[in-house]
Amino acid sequence: SAVISQKPSRDICQRGTSLTIQCQVDSQVTMMFWYRQQPGQSLTLIATANQGSEATYESGFVIDKFPISRPNLTFSTLTVSNMSPEDSSIYLCSVEGASGGETQYFGPGTRLLVL
Amino acid sequence: GENVEQHPSTLSVQEGDSAVIKCTYSDSASNYFPWYKQELGKRPQLIIDIRSNVGEKKDQRIAVTLNKTAKHFSLHITETQPEDSAVYFCAASNDYKLSFGAGTTVTVRA
Repeated sequence: SAVISQKPSRDICQRGTSLTIQCQVDSQVTMMFWYRQQPGQSLTLIATANQGSEATYESGFVIDKFPISRPNLTFSTLTVSNMSPEDSSIYLCSVEGASGGETQYFGPGTRLLVL
Repeated sequence: GENVEQHPSTLSVQEGDSAVIKCTYSDSASNYFPWYKQELGKRPQLIIDIRSNVGEKKDQRIAVTLNKTAKHFSLHITETQPEDSAVYFCAASNDYKLSFGAGTTVTVRA
């Protein structure tokens, strides 16, 4: 499977600020996804990021709060804007598997704490 | 949207015994069902998956069964070992969108 990295691995931020999380893959992938995992909880899909088109957001997530970029087939960013303590979570990117289909592999995650 | 329910939320088993986790889903259009294992502080790792045209799949000590009519699928771990202790998530996918269950914390007692 692809090697996926995320930056930063963790951060502590002040409320009202924004943080941009990067996801890098070592091979070209069509589909990339962003998930949120709140403390002790399951994973929730935020949006699907496809190169060359606008990200598709799931119910409860909006572009103004979570703008996403997908400039090429190996890279994506997720920005968490105007943060509040409720945004404290692990943010994970995932990519489709090499064989296509619906298999997804996850990056290591970015652990965010908002004070 | 898809709703995935997972049971039990916690499971404690004696080393060497079997563990079974069950999930149900609501959207009959879902056609792909992966299982992920997440150790503390680590990323979710895909351990096995099954597609809607298959009823059962096995990989060493891990097996997954799918009943499309009843809309439920299960994970079976045999001969459990301490390294099987983790949180396990089931998921259902429709059009590449994964909906996850709430997770099962499995503890294997030595």
